[in-house]
Amino acid sequence: EAGVAQSPRYKIIEKRQSVAFWCNPISGHATLYWYQQILGQGPKLLIQFQNNGVVDDSQLPKDRFSAERLKGVDSTLKIQPAKLEDSAVYLCASSLFLAGGRNEQFFGPGTRLTVL
Amino acid sequence: KNEVEQSPQNLTAQEGEFITINCSYSVGISALHWLQQHPGGGIVSLFMLSSGKKKHGRLIATINIQEKHSSLHITASHPRDSAVYICAVRSRDGGSQGNLIFGKGTKLSVKP
Repeated sequence: EAGVAQSPRYKIIEKRQSVAFWCNPISGHATLYWYQQILGQGPKLLIQFQNNGVVDDSQLPKDRFSAERLKGVDSTLKIQPAKLEDSAVYLCASSLFLAGGRNEQFFGPGTRLTVL
Repeated sequence: KNEVEQSPQNLTAQEGEFITINCSYSVGISALHWLQQHPGGGIVSLFMLSSGKKKHGRLIATINIQEKHSSLHITASHPRDSAVYICAVRSRDGGSQGNLIFGKGTKLSVKP
């Protein structure tokens, strides 16, 4: 079974530039998550999709971050414009949607963003 | 205070040593995950627990729901076990779509 795919793996940009990340979840996984992980910290949820709808985007800095999952499969996360503090690893994860609250999340390899 | 606390933050061991990483949490949970993160960012799910104990190869994970505590053990550690180990819990109040709450991770370095 193919895992969660992300691209690019690494990106270096200057502050005020724009950047976009792509994620393709495991086939059949209805739920997709984007996390931001700053060095030395645990991942922080940015946004959660259920199919093509947003379930939780309470921690997404909406003035500069946007995400979409138009067809309920792959997703893009955009930062426009980037700030120095956006330097982090951006992780995508997916899970089945099952009742009971025990859905295991499968993580992609992450995109390491460096903002200069 | 973080809802998920891990200890130690950093751990250096000699090859072959028995390793224990601890996780304490303060919320009611429906499941607890142990994750392994390699340099470069990719995360691998090691275990998902809601009670008792699970074993996979040299890895053992235990959870005590009453004490709100979990441990990850690595027997006969090897340099390839060097990684960051992250504990994450799914809050019971989050429902079937409850989000994970992550610890800050334990950085393990196993020396040959």
